[in-house]
Amino acid sequence: EAGVTQSPTHLIKTRGQQATLRCSPISGHTSVYWYQQALGLGLQFLLWYDEGEERNRGNFPPRFSGRQFPNYSSELNVNALELEDSALYLCASTNTVDYGYTFGSGTRLTVV
Amino acid sequence: AQKITQTQPGMFVQEKEAVTLDCTYDTSDQSYGLFWYKQPSSGEMIFLIYQGSYDEQNATEGRYSLNFQKARKSANLVISASQLGDSAMYFCAMRVRSSASKIIFGSGTRLSIRP
Repeated sequence: EAGVTQSPTHLIKTRGQQATLRCSPISGHTSVYWYQQALGLGLQFLLWYDEGEERNRGNFPPRFSGRQFPNYSSELNVNALELEDSALYLCASTNTVDYGYTFGSGTRLTVV
Repeated sequence: AQKITQTQPGMFVQEKEAVTLDCTYDTSDQSYGLFWYKQPSSGEMIFLIYQGSYDEQNATEGRYSLNFQKARKSANLVISASQLGDSAMYFCAMRVRSSASKIIFGSGTRLSIRP
């Protein structure tokens, strides 16, 4: 069974540009979560998608957005990039309320 | 509001020794789950162990066990016979039914195993 896959592995953008990160959940998982992990810090919840709908979002500005496609894969878009957006972005999926997530390997975004 | 607290930013342990990583949590919900994840330098988050709030026995997974003390709201991770490959960041996390399904994470503990 393939795990959660994220692409690209690394992404370098300049300030003001837009970044698009992609995530494919484990087959059968309908929920996708996005987290931001700045260097040396813990994980901050960004977004939760389930069955194609945004169900919850963390305390991030509107320039962080995303969507979930009919095949349950997801995109995270970050507009008007700022230097502080440099971080590891982790995607996770699950198919049950009662258990944990399976994480992807992350996309390391660097804004210069 | 829910909160996870990990008070040990870093720990050094001799290889083959047991190690306990501390975690306390705060929630008013009765139904919740507690997790531990390992994050090596590669960045991926590896699920280690899960404890449900209604589970009466402490969870165990190989060399990992979770010392669950509900009254004290603590969920410490115990790693027996530590190995060099255990060097990583360790995150305690919690999920409550009423929090719209998201998991919240503690700030993490960096564990370094000495040969």
